[in-house]
Amino acid sequence: DAGVTQSPTHLIKTRGQQVTLRCSPKSGHDTVSWYQQALGQGPQFIFQYYEEEERQRGNFPDRFSGHQFPNYSSELNVNALLLGDSALYLCASSLGGGAVETQYFGPGTRLLVL
Amino acid sequence: AQSVTQLDSHVSVSEGTPVLLRCNYSSSYSPSLFWYVQHPNKGLQLLLKYTSAATLVKGINGFEAEFKKSETSFHLTKPSAHMSDAAEYFCVVSDTGNAGNMLTFGGGTRLMVKP
Repeated sequence: DAGVTQSPTHLIKTRGQQVTLRCSPKSGHDTVSWYQQALGQGPQFIFQYYEEEERQRGNFPDRFSGHQFPNYSSELNVNALLLGDSALYLCASSLGGGAVETQYFGPGTRLLVL
Repeated sequence: AQSVTQLDSHVSVSEGTPVLLRCNYSSSYSPSLFWYVQHPNKGLQLLLKYTSAATLVKGINGFEAEFKKSETSFHLTKPSAHMSDAAEYFCVVSDTGNAGNMLTFGGGTRLMVKP
């Protein structure tokens, strides 16, 4: 049973560029959440997708957008990259959106903005 | 609103001695509480979770945590540390007031285990 997978594993971009990160949820899961983890900090919630709609959003600017496909996989897009966007981006999947549901995390995509 | 405070950013123990990682939470509704572990250059792995059943929760690798509503705490313990326990530990809250199940993470506690 494949867990949560993310691609690419590492990425280097320059300021002002745009980036797309991808996530495939654990088999049977229908909800995907994205988190940003800056160096030395805990992950911060970006947004969550369920049934191809953004259901909940954290305190991130509109430069951060996403999409969920009919097969439940998801993309995170970041426009106009800033140096401060350098971080580990984590995808998590769960079944449904209840607070009791466990979120399973992928290995992350490490983004470096120069 | 929900928040988590991990009271120690670093904890150092000797192998074979007990581990205590402290966590306090704030939640407007009935919370679900989790502990996740992150080894270097690895993703987050769930250790255990509390979801309003038994207040003493047992997890993987000998870890357990006790939910104390009166103290708004969810401390993580292990009777005997092993070298492989060295990692970053995150206390996490999700409350039922969410439209989804957004997780709010504490700042993390780095556990160091000395031989």
